[in-house]
Amino acid sequence: EVQVVESGGGLVQPGGSLRLSCAASGFTVSNNYMTWVRQAPGKGLDWVSVIYSAGTTYYSDSVKGRFTISRDNSKNTLYLQMNSLRAEDTAVYYCARLLQWRFDPWGQGTLVTVSS
Amino acid sequence: DIQMTQSPSSLSASVGDRVTITCQASQDISNYLNWYQQKPGKAPKLLIYAASNLETGVPSRFGGSGSGTDFTFTISSLQPEDIATYYCQQYDNLPLTFGGGTKVEIK
Repeated sequence: EVQVVESGGGLVQPGGSLRLSCAASGFTVSNNYMTWVRQAPGKGLDWVSVIYSAGTTYYSDSVKGRFTISRDNSKNTLYLQMNSLRAEDTAVYYCARLLQWRFDPWGQGTLVTVSS
Repeated sequence: DIQMTQSPSSLSASVGDRVTITCQASQDISNYLNWYQQKPGKAPKLLIYAASNLETGVPSRFGGSGSGTDFTFTISSLQPEDIATYYCQQYDNLPLTFGGGTKVEIK
């Protein structure tokens, strides 16, 4: 079964850091485009970042310079390193494969709360 | 950035009704548009890709159409299990952007 499972969310103070993980099964992370999407409480979907199979990365303007997407091929896992966190980064973070530009599958999400 | 304007933001319809949601792009995106369903507390699920193609396993009462800047998502006969928020998403350009969502409720 093709699936992804996120972990690593939690409560962090403003200015702090957190690393999210996304473990994939049923497919190879390094052979696919992989992405992070977030959803603030009660709000819509907001694309965060993508890493192409070739390793090229892109970010939304709101996280550029603070977040870093990466992968560990040996662990078949995607990561999102989040630094200088702000209250407005509070959201459920979803990992998804971007297959022919379709987000599929999605993980169950991991909640990041930035608060003092 | 390409802005995606979805309407209405919410709707209430009866079981068996035909439901239509529209999504307008701020520039021509050809058919580079997907539709997702998100049930409360769950991750989104892909329903329609490339504007009009039904994802495998998705009931045929769901459909999509359009190209350029104007797109339509339809539920031909609303079922109780269709209660959810629906999002359009463009992939013509980065950043990938979503519509604001349409919350569908049963009347």
